[in-house]
Amino acid sequence: EAGVTQFPSHSVIEKGQTVTLRCDPISGHDNLYWYRRVMGKEIKFLLHFVKESKQDESGMPNNRFLAERTGGTYSTLKVQPAELEDSGVYFCASSQVGWAPSYEQYFGPGTRLTVT
Amino acid sequence: DAKTTQPPSMDCAEGRAANLPCNHSTISGNEYVYWYRQIHSQGPQYIIHGLKNNETNEMASLIITEDRKSSTLILPHATLRDTAVYYCIVRVGGGSEKLVFGKGTKLTVNP
Repeated sequence: EAGVTQFPSHSVIEKGQTVTLRCDPISGHDNLYWYRRVMGKEIKFLLHFVKESKQDESGMPNNRFLAERTGGTYSTLKVQPAELEDSGVYFCASSQVGWAPSYEQYFGPGTRLTVT
Repeated sequence: DAKTTQPPSMDCAEGRAANLPCNHSTISGNEYVYWYRQIHSQGPQYIIHGLKNNETNEMASLIITEDRKSSTLILPHATLRDTAVYYCIVRVGGGSEKLVFGKGTKLTVNP
């Protein structure tokens, strides 16, 4: 079974440009999450989709970030325009829906974003 | 904010048991203790979870105190590949709740 995949693995852009990150969750996982770690900080939650609906976007830092999950499958996270402080590693995770302690979140390898 | 407290770093000799402590004195009755780890630049990886009983799987054991205010993750025979940052997270069980990461414990396994 394929795990969570993320593309690209690394992106270098200039301040003011736009970048789109993609996440493909594990097949059948309706929960999809975005997290990020910026330099020297802890991993922070950004938002949570259940299928195509945004369940919780309390962690989105500002309106330069736009997440979508059309059709409830893969998700994209767009940063427009990118700022220097957006540099970091962006992780995607997925899990099954439902209340069960064993439904842990599976993480992708992350996308390292560098804004210069 | 994270609801747990962990030592920032620990060392362990290869082949020995690694015991990683975690304090979660404000844990609620319906909250589970989860452990994840992040090896170098990879994505976090689930290890184990428990409510009040001790748990064991192929990766590790989890010992939770009777008052549930603290726990210990045990890697019985640490290898160099276990060098990672280990996160103790308390949350209501189920896949839907977000994870709140603290600073974790940087475990270094030495040859």
